[in-house]
Amino acid sequence: EAGVAQSPRYKIIEKRQSVAFWCNPISGHATLYWYQQILGQGPKLLIQFQNNGVVDDSQLPKDRFSAERLKGVDSTLKIQPAKLEDSAVYLCASSQHNEQFFGPGTRLTVL
Amino acid sequence: AQKVTQAQTEISVVEKEDVTLDCVYETRDTTYYLFWYKQPPSGELVFLIRRNSFDEQNEISGRYSWNFQKSTSSFNFTITASQVVDSAVYFCALSEHYGGSQGNLIFGKGTKLSVKP
Repeated sequence: EAGVAQSPRYKIIEKRQSVAFWCNPISGHATLYWYQQILGQGPKLLIQFQNNGVVDDSQLPKDRFSAERLKGVDSTLKIQPAKLEDSAVYLCASSQHNEQFFGPGTRLTVL
Repeated sequence: AQKVTQAQTEISVVEKEDVTLDCVYETRDTTYYLFWYKQPPSGELVFLIRRNSFDEQNEISGRYSWNFQKSTSSFNFTITASQVVDSAVYFCALSEHYGGSQGNLIFGKGTKLSVKP
């Protein structure tokens, strides 16, 4: 069974630029999560989807972050414009029942 | 509010030593799940165990064991006879249970374990 796929693996941008991350969950998994992991900390949820609907986006900085999950499968997370403090690893996870499976993450560096 | 505390930021042991990673959690829910994840230098989070709040039975899996104590809101993780490959950051996490499915994970800050040969 293929795992959660994410791309790109690494991204370096300058502040005020835009960036997008892509996630392909495990086939059949209805729930998809985006987490932000700042260096030295645990992951923090940004947004949770159930199929193509948003379940929880209370911690998503909506002035600059957006996410969508068209057709309830793949998802993209966008930051526009990026700030220095957005430097982090962005993790995508998917689940069907009780266990979340994580992708390898995208490491974003904002200069 | 939910919260997970991993008081040990870093632990260093010599190979073959036993090591216990502490985890204390806070929640007002009566139904919840507790997890441990391993994050090796490659960065991917690897699932180790899930426990629901109604199951306080301790679990052993090879060199790994977990001690869940509701009375002290703790879910500690012990590695017996540690090996260099156990070197990683270990995260404890908590999730609510709602609507028949798992909620999002609340992670602790992690404990970095270094096992020296």
